[in-house]
Amino acid sequence: KAGVTQTPRYLIKTRGQQVTLSCSPISGHRSVSWYQQTPGQGLQFLFEYFSETQRNKGNFPGRFSGRQFSNSRSEMNVSTLELGDSALYLCASSLQTPGVTGELFFGEGSRLTVL
Amino acid sequence: GESVGLHLPTLSVQEGDNSIINCAYSNSASDYFIWYKQESGKGPQFIIDIRSNMDKRQGQRVTVLLNKTVKHLSLQIAATQPGDSAVYFCAENTLGTGRRALTFGSGTRLQVQP
Repeated sequence: KAGVTQTPRYLIKTRGQQVTLSCSPISGHRSVSWYQQTPGQGLQFLFEYFSETQRNKGNFPGRFSGRQFSNSRSEMNVSTLELGDSALYLCASSLQTPGVTGELFFGEGSRLTVL
Repeated sequence: GESVGLHLPTLSVQEGDNSIINCAYSNSASDYFIWYKQESGKGPQFIIDIRSNMDKRQGQRVTVLLNKTVKHLSLQIAATQPGDSAVYFCAENTLGTGRRALTFGSGTRLQVQP
């Protein structure tokens, strides 16, 4: 079956702009999580969605937001981009319900560069 | 490929040798642990997991050991192959909180010499 699909794979933005990243989970998976990966901070949890509701949120400013649609597809948005937002943004999907961690299947990520 | 981390600790082994990758965690409440493998340009890939009621779990060519006393986790890879070259991350979670968010370690780069 198809894996987690993230689009776009690469994008370049300038400071102050906003960006929207998309994630299509594995068919049948209802939980979608987002992580930010940078060389300095490593992999950090952004948020998790299940059944169109944000279930958990990491320690990121309000500029980072997301949503999930009825078909489980998810988007995350970063507004007023800063240079430090340059990172690989990873989406992961899982069959498990919130509070029960199971295997997370990651996409290949969206590489954001902020100039 | 994309750089996962510029200053990761690196473990270099010869093909066919066994590899041991270590991870220390800080949250004594963590009760679920996972090892991931990340190849250049790809997302992390699940390798093996273990719950805190176990101290050892084996998979195909991999074994995870958990020492809760010293909050230490290790991944053993038997007969390491060139295809095992990647960055390896440990991750932890606390199932009882209902909070579903993994905390990842900083990673170790494994280089397999042919």
